[in-house]
Amino acid sequence: EAGVAQSPRYKIIEKRQSVAFWCNPISGHATLYWYQQILGQGPKLLIQFQNNGVVDDSQLPKDRFSAERLKGVDSTLKIQPAKLEDSAVYLCASSLNWRGGDNQPQHFGDGTRLSIL
Amino acid sequence: ELKVEQNPLFLSMQEGKNYTIYCNYSTTSDRLYWYRQDPGKSLESLFVLLSNGAVKQEGRLMASLDTKARLSTLHITAAVHDLSATYFCAVDNDDDYKLSFGAGTTVTVRA
Repeated sequence: EAGVAQSPRYKIIEKRQSVAFWCNPISGHATLYWYQQILGQGPKLLIQFQNNGVVDDSQLPKDRFSAERLKGVDSTLKIQPAKLEDSAVYLCASSLNWRGGDNQPQHFGDGTRLSIL
Repeated sequence: ELKVEQNPLFLSMQEGKNYTIYCNYSTTSDRLYWYRQDPGKSLESLFVLLSNGAVKQEGRLMASLDTKARLSTLHITAAVHDLSATYFCAVDNDDDYKLSFGAGTTVTVRA
């Protein structure tokens, strides 16, 4: 089974520039998550999709971050404009559905490491 | 807001000895997950604990869950170098099933 695919792996930009990340979840997984992991911390949920609808985006800084999941499969996360504090690893995860459980742990991609200069 | 606390945050282990990582959480939940993360890598699911008293074992790792105490432990038996990594616990919120992570425990196993 192919895992969660993310690209790019690394990105370096200057503050106030824009950046986009892409995620392809495990086939058949209805739920897709974007997390932000700052160095030395656990991942923090930014947004959660069920198919192509948003389940939760309460912790997404909507003035600069946006995300979409067209057709309920791939997803993109965008930051515009970037700030220094956005330097982090952005992880995408997917699960069968959003209610958790034994056969439904979240499976994570390798992440995109973003550095803001 | 669900808070998840792990301790210790850093753990230097000697090969062959036993150690325990603790995970406390602040609200009722009976779904707890343990993940492992190697440097520069993604999170790998280790255990899913779904009820009070649940115990799961894989190799030298054993995880347990006490929902009444809101506590999970990850026990490492006879530590080996391959277990060096950061270990995260994460808890599902009973209301909205959102996953909240602890800060992680960075484990280093020395000879």
